[in-house]
Amino acid sequence: DAKTTQPNSMESNEEEPVHLPCNHSTISGTDYIHWYRQLPSQGPEYVIHGLTSNVNNRMASLAIAEDRKSSTLILHRATLRDAAVYYCILSGPYNTDKLIFGTGTRLQVFP
Amino acid sequence: DGGITQSPKYLFRKEGQNVTLSCEQNLNHDAMYWYRQDPGQGLRLIYYSQIVNDFQKGDIAEGYSVSREKKESFPLTVTSAQKNPTAFYLCASSPYRGGNQPQHFGDGTRLSIL
Repeated sequence: DAKTTQPNSMESNEEEPVHLPCNHSTISGTDYIHWYRQLPSQGPEYVIHGLTSNVNNRMASLAIAEDRKSSTLILHRATLRDAAVYYCILSGPYNTDKLIFGTGTRLQVFP
Repeated sequence: DGGITQSPKYLFRKEGQNVTLSCEQNLNHDAMYWYRQDPGQGLRLIYYSQIVNDFQKGDIAEGYSVSREKKESFPLTVTSAQKNPTAFYLCASSPYRGGNQPQHFGDGTRLSIL
């Protein structure tokens, strides 16, 4: 299973953009890049996912490097509610594939 | 609103006792999953099911059992054979098993040993 590498923690001020990096140098051509976030004592929440092209939704943007060996989750304007652990996960398209959660990046947002 | 309901929120197990965690979804999803999360760690897959009456072991299935008699329900039993059951248990579902479908999670059950 392909692995991802994320910083343990990051900090941001409220209203500022946040760029959360993820390295996945062993990604295969059919692996999707997923991002989830988890608040304390809650289940993970889906944020965004993509394959090759950059993706935008109401929560965030996902920028995928041309060689697909890294990606960046972009929160355009951080709020206090964005403070969470963010997981970058690779998952293939087949029915035997699964989400493999690492330890993620803990994002702190300061007022 | 559609979603996943896990119950109870907190559960205590005595030594040698089996306990069952409930997971119900009204999203009409085919696939359902059980994960375990230990403090400061990511999630690890216990069991998953793609369709009714079928399920497969994940990475840490020993000491656990599941059933999938209805599409909406995927209960997890933590047996006495699971020697370190204290953890946060999360249930999830997705439209079908596959890498390009996001999973929807419940709010978890925290299991502790008495």
